Amino acid sequence: QKEVEQDPGPLSVPEGAIVSLNCTYSNSAFQYFMWYRQYSRKGPELLMYTYSSGNKEDGRFTAQVDKSSKYISLFIRDSQPSDSATYLCAMSNFGNEKLTFGTGTRLTIIP
Amino acid sequence: KAGVTQTPRYLIKTRGQQVTLSCSPISGHRSVSWYQQTPGQGLQFLFEYFSETQRNKGNFPGRFSGRQFSNSRSEMNVSTLELGDSALYLCASSPQTDLYEQYFGPGTRLTVT
Repeated sequence: QKEVEQDPGPLSVPEGAIVSLNCTYSNSAFQYFMWYRQYSRKGPELLMYTYSSGNKEDGRFTAQVDKSSKYISLFIRDSQPSDSATYLCAMSNFGNEKLTFGTGTRLTIIP
Repeated sequence: KAGVTQTPRYLIKTRGQQVTLSCSPISGHRSVSWYQQTPGQGLQFLFEYFSETQRNKGNFPGRFSGRQFSNSRSEMNVSTLELGDSALYLCASSPQTDLYEQYFGPGTRLTVT
């Protein structure tokens, strides 16, 4: 079993919809949680990171961490075709330790 | 500020050969991490260097090695290439000792035939 599980999708939603992307994990020592976006033929781009539990909002993006359930989410409001990409979650125990990634969810926003 | 650059962008090698990939981090960044990305396994951590010292290492065989120079530029080497080494190799740099804020390069696409 992988330490971080992420539904690979693909996920297709109409433009303007709210998108929910999720990851579960098994390592209770994870404290740092990140979301990356990767466009085709590009490297991943850091969207947001949170420490421990709680919510963090940045524009149309909201990241949630529920450590009791070992579950993290990324919500995208008012989704746009430009949001079409693969979204990767990543986690680490301590700030200076390696990141463990999910396999990514491919998202397509339909105009 | 220029982003992370990786060279070459594409590479085709034959089984048994060796390959060296190069990464130049964002100016001022001292930490460089390397990842292998494949459709089946996703992003897997190879190793991380900070101030020329390997600080973290993933679960890859000894054929995979790396180093970092005093100017923070990094190289990774894969010896005795296998077909399964075909992947996108990504380099990421971090502005501080913590790795939760990483900036990735475009990657080097390695194909082993």
